[in-house]
Amino acid sequence: DSGVTQTPKHLITATGQRVTLRCSPRSGDLSVYWYQQSLDQGLQFLIQYYNGEERAKGNILERFSAQQFPDLHSELNLSSLELGDSALYFCASQGALSTDTQYFGPGTRLTVL
Amino acid sequence: AQSVTQPDIHITVSEGASLELRCNYSYGATPYLFWYVQSPGQGLQLLLKYFSGDTLVQGIKGFEAEFKRSQSSFNLRKPSVHWSDAAEYFCAVVHTSGTYKYIFGTGTRLKVLA
Repeated sequence: DSGVTQTPKHLITATGQRVTLRCSPRSGDLSVYWYQQSLDQGLQFLIQYYNGEERAKGNILERFSAQQFPDLHSELNLSSLELGDSALYFCASQGALSTDTQYFGPGTRLTVL
Repeated sequence: AQSVTQPDIHITVSEGASLELRCNYSYGATPYLFWYVQSPGQGLQLLLKYFSGDTLVQGIKGFEAEFKRSQSSFNLRKPSVHWSDAAEYFCAVVHTSGTYKYIFGTGTRLKVLA
């Protein structure tokens, strides 16, 4: 158990819909990263938040957005969903230093029908 | 652009045999380098990491990796593989200047024969 929790574990929805994925980092960790893992794209970094502020952006679509709240949990919002958005979405948490280990959550499997 | 290459998509070894998984990166300076393992249906777990100093890094579960600057490589090794090592292995690189974006390789799936 990494100490990072993600909800829900599975999500099935239809094209055009909007969903929210939630991540609670390890106690004391300030940084949250979001990743998308799919068969054709592999593991892609989406976005990083540090203590409530966006710190780095990767291959995140404009239809996707994220935020980190004062209690440090984070939400990833995916809208106007397409079939190709079906993937595993991971969050990872990290301490204050960039050299601290990233701990991954168990992931949310999103299926868009 | 920075990139990470894992040339072997699948590798099969017999239990007890040695293992080497290859990783090459493309980056101007020395990046931070990582190896992660992912078991089916699980998140990623860090095996080891390299930032600086001794180029031979020891990790968990008996794994080690060697950073070779001249070859831009960070290969993962284990002297004797166990059946429980069957999983997918990812090499990752992080920029060490500016934003700390992680770039992952495409992964190597390891199969272990009894």
